[in-house]
Amino acid sequence: DTEVTQTPKHLVMGMTNKKSLKCEQHMGHRAMYWYKQKAKKPPELMFVYSYEKLSINESVPSRFSPECPNSSLLNLHLHALQPEDSALYLCASSPSGEGKTQYFGPGTRLLVL
Amino acid sequence: GEDVEQSLFLSVREGDSSVINCTYTDSSSTYLYWYKQEPGAGLQLLTYIFSNMDMKQDQRLTVLLNKKDKHLSLRIADTQTGDSAIYFCAERASDYKLSFGAGTTVTVRA
Repeated sequence: DTEVTQTPKHLVMGMTNKKSLKCEQHMGHRAMYWYKQKAKKPPELMFVYSYEKLSINESVPSRFSPECPNSSLLNLHLHALQPEDSALYLCASSPSGEGKTQYFGPGTRLLVL
Repeated sequence: GEDVEQSLFLSVREGDSSVINCTYTDSSSTYLYWYKQEPGAGLQLLTYIFSNMDMKQDQRLTVLLNKKDKHLSLRIADTQTGDSAIYFCAERASDYKLSFGAGTTVTVRA
């Protein structure tokens, strides 16, 4: 199983809403990532969890709050977002050994109104 | 620092070979990746190569690495309409960070 799954596929939210994005992998990977991708651009790293601990926060605004409940799950909690936060949010995972090749999920397309 | 560059567009006739080029700047040993992104989808890992290799072949895909010139290429043989996508070259910049190129949009015409 080399699959990373993400839910929901699409999400529309208002600027006062609170919502969560979910990501799951069953490959035994111990690193999980959140990326933001704007149209026709490469993904931008937001957060990295390694062994369920936050390792990297790329100066992401606090309206984005990541959570790693266990080694297979990664959440991204959203609150008071802005229209410019509309994007494709990608989750990825990688093994902890040499290479750390990242495998991506299908993404959640978020629209903030 | 890390900086990955690739051409933005490539148009190829169905059945021909496609070659997508990429240059990177990090001189240390590293992994280099090719990802494919179809419209509305996530990134699909196509292949990767470690910087001590010159070439890697996997079915229709051939990766060539010129370490001296820091040049990476992806050749797709017998290009099909399903190969139309954006292709991202990426360099492993650190344990958890990838440095992506801007992406090459490949259009396959009949």
